Amino acid sequence: QSALTQPRSVSGSPGQSVTISCTGTSSDVGGYNYVSWYQQHPGKAPKLMIYDVSKRPSGVPDRFSGSKSGNTASLTISGLQAEDEADYYCCSYAGSYTLAFGGGTKLTVL
Amino acid sequence: EVQLVESGGGLVQPGRSLRLSCAASGFTFDDYAMHWVRQAPGKGLEWVSGISWNSGSIGYADSVKGRFTISRDNAKNSLYLQMNSLRAEDTALYYCAKGGGITDFDYWGQGTLVTVSS
Repeated sequence: QSALTQPRSVSGSPGQSVTISCTGTSSDVGGYNYVSWYQQHPGKAPKLMIYDVSKRPSGVPDRFSGSKSGNTASLTISGLQAEDEADYYCCSYAGSYTLAFGGGTKLTVL
Repeated sequence: EVQLVESGGGLVQPGRSLRLSCAASGFTFDDYAMHWVRQAPGKGLEWVSGISWNSGSIGYADSVKGRFTISRDNAKNSLYLQMNSLRAEDTALYYCAKGGGITDFDYWGQGTLVTVSS
């Protein structure tokens, strides 16, 4: 498995929208509609934010949305809030009961 | 309330073995896949291994294949990771995670730290 590619960092001001990309191949992101996104605050366990490309678990604000086009998945956070500042990771099914994470993106709320 | 409690981490010399355990509660354990995910100090998340509800499907990251073995005991609501031939690069916080849908992790434990050093 190869790690998925994410930007190292993104930033935005409160109220703005940001999009984090996650690029893989046709063997992972492009081949399955099984991409999930996780938020991790320092010293905390990750939290599921999006699963199956665009579905939101109960309790996750609708400011968080997911999409996919070809081999690239995206997480969009609208109406940025200070508490959204965290690391974000994408994860994709990669076949044969294996999974791959992206390298992670640090979101800074200016 | 779903709870996942990892144990078994510690300091171990290169080449030695360690067995991690994860005690699960608050959900019907044998209905769900379970996974191990690790995070090296200051680094990102890495999926290590996963096991289906009935142990019929098992997968490993290339980095641990042939050295690590995942297993579960549904009667004891427990998940395990047998780690052999440990290397310095296996040093990480190891999380136990519950499978949600097909390939996501909807609940995570707090992790157990494994340090491989002489």
